Parts: sequence; structure tokens; C-alpha cells
Amino acid sequence: QVQFVQSGTEVKKPGASVKVSCKASGYMFNFYAMHWVRQAPGQRPEWMGWINPRNGDTKYFQRFQGRVSITWDTSATTSYMELSSLTFEDMAVYYCARGNVDTGFDYWGQGSLVTVSS
Amino acid sequence: SYELTQPPSVSVSPGQTASISCSGNMLVDKFVSWYQKKPGQSPALLLYQTSKRPSGIPERVSGSSSGNTATLTISVTQAMDEADYFCQAWDRSTVFFGGGTKLTV
Repeated sequence: QVQFVQSGTEVKKPGASVKVSCKASGYMFNFYAMHWVRQAPGQRPEWMGWINPRNGDTKYFQRFQGRVSITWDTSATTSYMELSSLTFEDMAVYYCARGNVDTGFDYWGQGSLVTVSS
Repeated sequence: SYELTQPPSVSVSPGQTASISCSGNMLVDKFVSWYQKKPGQSPALLLYQTSKRPSGIPERVSGSSSGNTATLTISVTQAMDEADYFCQAWDRSTVFFGGGTKLTV
């Protein structure tokens, strides 16, 4: 069955970087983009970007451009999302999700909490 | 940036029908997805391509779209349907989510 297992809670200081992982299993990876979405408490989900595992192409939401990097490790079947220059506004639960415009996001990871604290 | 607008809250009595709207410019021309989100859980896909149900989603969940508004309809609402609901659409290869609607049963 399709499954995404994400890394655990992270506590970072302002200005630091965080790297969250998402191990995928149970499906043909090349057929689906891997997306990253975050949700801060009481806020709407916010899409950050996606990666095409087949060729490594990425697209990032403009507001994160230059600060986010999404990668895919084929041998580990794992996607990584790294966000730099953290501020308190980056405190959120970060999710990986599979999908495209035709399918919606049909499978999600369990979420990784990122806390930013001085 | 593309904006999707939802009512903050909707209340419905058990057994009645709940309708949640999602408004966005020319939304009828875009594929809309809907998600259910319960506290402590990941979002769950309810509808894709505006009105298609993934396997496991009951027929009492339906979707439609006209003009600038997409609508999620849940009939015979049950206590288990109490949750936050988010719409989502693509615009120029970028994903946008609505602000969410808290459904109270």
C-alpha cells in the first residue's frame, strides 16, 4: 500500500535551516510528483513546491523561492525538503503528499512539526 | 497570486445536508479538489476533478462547480463529518488552498 513516513519533530533557532524527510513506498514513484505542503496553526495549508522523481525537475512557490530546496533520493525512495533562514512564521506542520492536477493529493505523510524558538 | 475563499464555518443538524462553497476567479475552468482535515490527522482527499470521488469516499459526498464557485455537498451528515474542509485548485502550475471551513454537526 502507498505509504509516506516523515521524519520527526524539529526545534530550530531563528536563522537556522531545517531538513525534513519523507520516505515513500508502495507505488511507482516515477508516475507521481511529490509535493510539500505546510500548515501553521489556524492557517490554511500552504503549498511549497514539488519535485518530479523521474527527472528531478522542481517548481517552488514564489514566496519560498531561494529559501526552499526539494530533492529526491532514488536509491532511498525518499524526498527531502530543506528550508533555510527560518523565522517564527515558519513554525508549522510540514507534509509531503503525492499528486498532480488530475488526481489531487491522494496520499499524505503523517506530518513533521517544525518549531522555531530562540 | 490566486485566491480561494471559503466561509469560515457551516453548521448543520445530523441527517441534514451541508454545503460548503469555494470561490475563485474562473474556478469552473480549473480542477478543484476537496480535503477533510481533523485535528492531529493529515488531510484526506474527498474529491478531485471537482466531482470525482476516490475509492472509499461515500456517495453522500459530492461536488459541483459553476462560474466562480465550487461546492462540496455532504448529505445525511453525521457526527463523524465534523471537521475542517479545504478546497484546492491549480493556477499556472501553482497550487492554492482555500482558507478552510469548519463544519459543525
